[in-house]
Amino acid sequence: GQNIDQPTEMTATEGAIVQINCTYQTSGFNGLFWYQQHAGEAPTFLSYNVLDGLEEKGRFSSFLSRSKGYSYLLLKELQMKDSASYLCANMDSNYQLIWGAGTKLIIKP
Amino acid sequence: IAGITQAPTSQILAAGRRMTLRCTQDMRHNAMYWYRQDLGLGLRLIHYSNTAGTTGKGEVPDGYSVSRANTDDFPLTLASAVPSQTSVYFCASSASGDSDEQFFGPGTRLTVL
Repeated sequence: GQNIDQPTEMTATEGAIVQINCTYQTSGFNGLFWYQQHAGEAPTFLSYNVLDGLEEKGRFSSFLSRSKGYSYLLLKELQMKDSASYLCANMDSNYQLIWGAGTKLIIKP
Repeated sequence: IAGITQAPTSQILAAGRRMTLRCTQDMRHNAMYWYRQDLGLGLRLIHYSNTAGTTGKGEVPDGYSVSRANTDDFPLTLASAVPSQTSVYFCASSASGDSDEQFFGPGTRLTVL
């Protein structure tokens, strides 16, 4: 079957670093996506990894290990506006996104 | 219009009624998608269209139908709504049906009583 696992909720402190993990088991692989979703809003694209390694984009970085079926999103210098849900999604062999349930990130001052 | 829009923003519907959720994009994207999002679950694909004139079934297509008469519009119809279709519905589009990022509309919150 197809499965995406990520923690339900995480708490971190403003200014700190947090790592949100995602493991996946899907039929085929065409890339791993991370999206951010603020409460009551639409998901917005953060990152896409198709090769192993770390992709850095400002305060956000995303890592992929295809052999381990594992990815993480790293958020640095946390700001209150980073409080949101972070959605991991794997693109399967049919180019359809299989989504995790999301990780709700709570930032405390 | 800038990006992707959906209408209505929210709707309360009696069970058994027919309802069409509208989605329009102005990015000339080839691919469009309909998802539902329920608490505790990931986004689930209902139907998709890789190009105008073609549609396909996603993970949870039962009770829903779509059409893609042109590039811009991708309406989702509930022929006879049931309470289990209470959800937030997101329309999305991408440049192609491949590994491009998907852009999401603001969503429609639907309640079926």
